[in-house]
Amino acid sequence: DQQVKQNSPSLSVQEGRISILNCDYTNSMFDYFLWYKKYPAEGPTFLISISSIKDKNEDGRFTVFLNKSAKHLSLHIVPSQPGDSAVYFCAASVSNAGGTSYGKLTFGQGTILTVHP
Amino acid sequence: NAGVTQTPKFRVLKTGQSMTLLCAQDMNHEYMYWYRQDPGMGLRLIHYSVGEGTTAKGEVPDGYNVSRLKKQNFLLGLESAAPSQTSVYFCASSYSKVSGNTIYFGEGSWLTVV
Repeated sequence: DQQVKQNSPSLSVQEGRISILNCDYTNSMFDYFLWYKKYPAEGPTFLISISSIKDKNEDGRFTVFLNKSAKHLSLHIVPSQPGDSAVYFCAASVSNAGGTSYGKLTFGQGTILTVHP
Repeated sequence: NAGVTQTPKFRVLKTGQSMTLLCAQDMNHEYMYWYRQDPGMGLRLIHYSVGEGTTAKGEVPDGYNVSRLKKQNFLLGLESAAPSQTSVYFCASSYSKVSGNTIYFGEGSWLTVV
């Protein structure tokens, strides 16, 4: 049972346009959400995160939106650049008492983003 | 600036053979993890450690053993490899157990079991 789903295996956008990557989840206990970016032959690298008490978090060109009622989050990249071409993973965690999760993340399948010059 | 280093990067095993994947981190992180990634699936947690001398099971622990004898190292062992263990293995570490804390991943180890 996939608790975190990224239903779009791939996304292609033009340089300078907006990229929107989507993620759905089923476990209402998830209280922290993260996006990771992965280049071929490299490990995932942290991009941006959001707590379930917020609905938006912004960091430069990257913004994550969380809609708890719909159990949906999205990552917006504006403007998209060719260097953003990578696999993007959505991940979520459930906190124990004290806000700890010990790095136990549940990942989505990933979305391959291609940004064309 | 090594971060998280995994060895070996590539390995082909025959069914039934054993092997150990070594993970080393130089960031003095308390927490370490082993994930596996399979085609069409996200990364799944195999085992993790909350400190030297401790280990715990993750989501898919069967067929694997781990040890954390030194704070900087986390070993993943396959006692009797099976084709279902063909995967890309990622080691990771983090400074904190707090949710949302950044987790740093290694570059991955590609394992094929034939």
